[in-house]
Amino acid sequence: TQLLEQSPQFLSIQEGENLTVYCNSSSVFSSLQWYRQEPGEGPVLLVTVVTGGEVKKLKRLTFQFGDARKDSSLHITAAQPGDTGLYLCAGLPSFSWGKLQFGAGTQVVVTP
Amino acid sequence: GAVVSQHPSWVICKSGTSVKIECRSLDFQATTMFWYRQFPKQSLMLMATSNEGSKATYEQGVEKDKFLINHASLTLSTLTVTSAHPEDSSFYICSARLRTGSSYNEQFFGPGTRLTVL
Repeated sequence: TQLLEQSPQFLSIQEGENLTVYCNSSSVFSSLQWYRQEPGEGPVLLVTVVTGGEVKKLKRLTFQFGDARKDSSLHITAAQPGDTGLYLCAGLPSFSWGKLQFGAGTQVVVTP
Repeated sequence: GAVVSQHPSWVICKSGTSVKIECRSLDFQATTMFWYRQFPKQSLMLMATSNEGSKATYEQGVEKDKFLINHASLTLSTLTVTSAHPEDSSFYICSARLRTGSSYNEQFFGPGTRLTVL
């Protein structure tokens, strides 16, 4: 079983629509990171959130860390085809000795 | 900054041969590097944690004699897949954690190595 439950597994939307990806857990995380991965490449770090309730914005992407530091969300406004990719959340539990716990990933496809 | 490279980017080998994959942090020092394996359309699966100057720590179910890891310097870790078999075919990705200045434990990933064993 995965420590981090990521949903949905797959999202297909039209260009210009909004989307939200969720990452939930019963565990508390010291920090949580979001990555985007394209086929045949390694994950690229988008953002790190560390404070409960924190909201970070990266252009059209908005990341939120839950107050209890157990969940997070990624919201994309007016999605573009360039947003297509596998989005991964990864959390650092306090007991993990530095090992990130990854969600299963959300495959996002944005069609023109 | 925080660039991680992997070499080779892809390799095809015959069953029974050994393959070495290099992971380098190009512009920072990394006391800890991680090796992951990823199957198509799936998330990353941690194989082992590599610490500079000490033995690697393997995750449950990962054979340490099969996947040899060496972390000889603060910028280089290697993964050797010994006596490779077709079931070892996969996408192998390394990551490096900043030595200092990162209280958030951020990991930066290499571009991955596609291994195909015939």
